[in-house]
Amino acid sequence: QQQVKQSPQSLIVQKGGISIINCAYENTAFDYFPWYQQFPGKGPALLIAIRPDVSEKKEGRFTISFNKSAKQFSLHIMDSQPGDSATYFCAAKSQTGTASKLTFGTGTRLQVTL
Amino acid sequence: GAGVSQSPSNKVTEKGKDVELRCDPISGHTALYWYRQSLGQGLEFLIYFQGNSAPDKSGLPSDRFSAERTGGSVSTLTIQRTQQEDSAVYLCASSLAGGSLGNQPQHFGDGTRLSIL
Repeated sequence: QQQVKQSPQSLIVQKGGISIINCAYENTAFDYFPWYQQFPGKGPALLIAIRPDVSEKKEGRFTISFNKSAKQFSLHIMDSQPGDSATYFCAAKSQTGTASKLTFGTGTRLQVTL
Repeated sequence: GAGVSQSPSNKVTEKGKDVELRCDPISGHTALYWYRQSLGQGLEFLIYFQGNSAPDKSGLPSDRFSAERTGGSVSTLTIQRTQQEDSAVYLCASSLAGGSLGNQPQHFGDGTRLSIL
């Protein structure tokens, strides 16, 4: 059972454009929603994260929009640059006792063209 | 080192052999996580350590998989009698604390790419 659904699977955006990646979740117990950026051959790196009591968070060109009632959240990359070309993963954190874990989406491969 | 270190970076082995993958977390990080990333897939949670104990082993796919952590630092993921479906990138992450002590970011290593022939 996939608890975090991510779309699209791949995305091509022109330089300067807006990249939008969407995620939807099912488990209402998730309490933290990070986005990770992964370059080929490297591990994922935390990009930006949001708590469910906040509807939007912006850091530089990266913005997370969060809709708690719809159980959806999205990443917007403004003024997309070729250096943003990477795979992006959304994730959601759940808590069981003292243990926490991240459930990841299946990833979006972003290509920013010149 | 400054980041999470994993070794080896690549491992090729024959079906049926045992493999050990190592993770050196960031110094001072008490929480350690193992994930598996298959081609075109997201990251699949395997196991979580808080200190030397593993409160959540729910993601280990079979009893051929085991992990340990000693001294609250280095962790080893062992796969016995490897199968071709075990081929994947195995990623380790660490954070200051897991559990209810706040949303500490997980810092990932670059993974071990495991290929089973």
